[in-house]
Amino acid sequence: QQQVKQSPQSLIVQKGGISIINCAYENTAFDYFPWYQQFPGKGPALLIAIRPDVSEKKEGRFTISFNKSAKQFSLHIMDSQPGDSATYFCAASTSGSARQLTFGSGTQLTVLP
Amino acid sequence: NAGVMQNPRHLVRRRGQEARLRCSPMKGHSHVYWYRQLPEEGLKFMVYLQKENIIDESGMPKERFSAEFPKEGPSILRIQQVVRGDSAAYFCASSSRGTITDTQYFGPGTRLTVL
Repeated sequence: QQQVKQSPQSLIVQKGGISIINCAYENTAFDYFPWYQQFPGKGPALLIAIRPDVSEKKEGRFTISFNKSAKQFSLHIMDSQPGDSATYFCAASTSGSARQLTFGSGTQLTVLP
Repeated sequence: NAGVMQNPRHLVRRRGQEARLRCSPMKGHSHVYWYRQLPEEGLKFMVYLQKENIIDESGMPKERFSAEFPKEGPSILRIQQVVRGDSAAYFCASSSRGTITDTQYFGPGTRLTVL
């Protein structure tokens, strides 16, 4: 019930294309959904996050779409660039005393020039 | 304006030895989290600490692993009698308030290899 399932495992997109990564969860107590970007040899860095009271959040080329009834959320990267090539992780946490993030398994994105 | 610092960046230990991983949170942050990342997998929560207190250790293996965050100095993740299965990247994150929307800033990680 604590799992966050992420797909696809890897994604190859042409420069200028749209990258879409999907996540699904079971625990209805989750109420905070961040996305992290990780480059090789580095720690994850927060990219964008959403609470379940909104269905979409956009920051620059990055958009989160959230479907509460389906318990799914996705990351859209518009106009993908080679510099976006990295591993992307979705995550979720609850408002309870624990602040732990439950991470998806990651998507390795490659944007071809 | 240093970020989260972790050392060492790479650590090699033989089976049965002890591993000590250090994490210095961002300035002004008093909440520290440790995560473990196995190859080709996402990060798994281990423990959440505030200064001098363990708040949540539900992700920590019951044996051989311990963590502390003293009043002065860095947070330490200690692994006793390491085994090959402990080989992983260990990341520490810190936050300022510990609220749900409070960003967790991650360090560069310590990559532990057990021979």
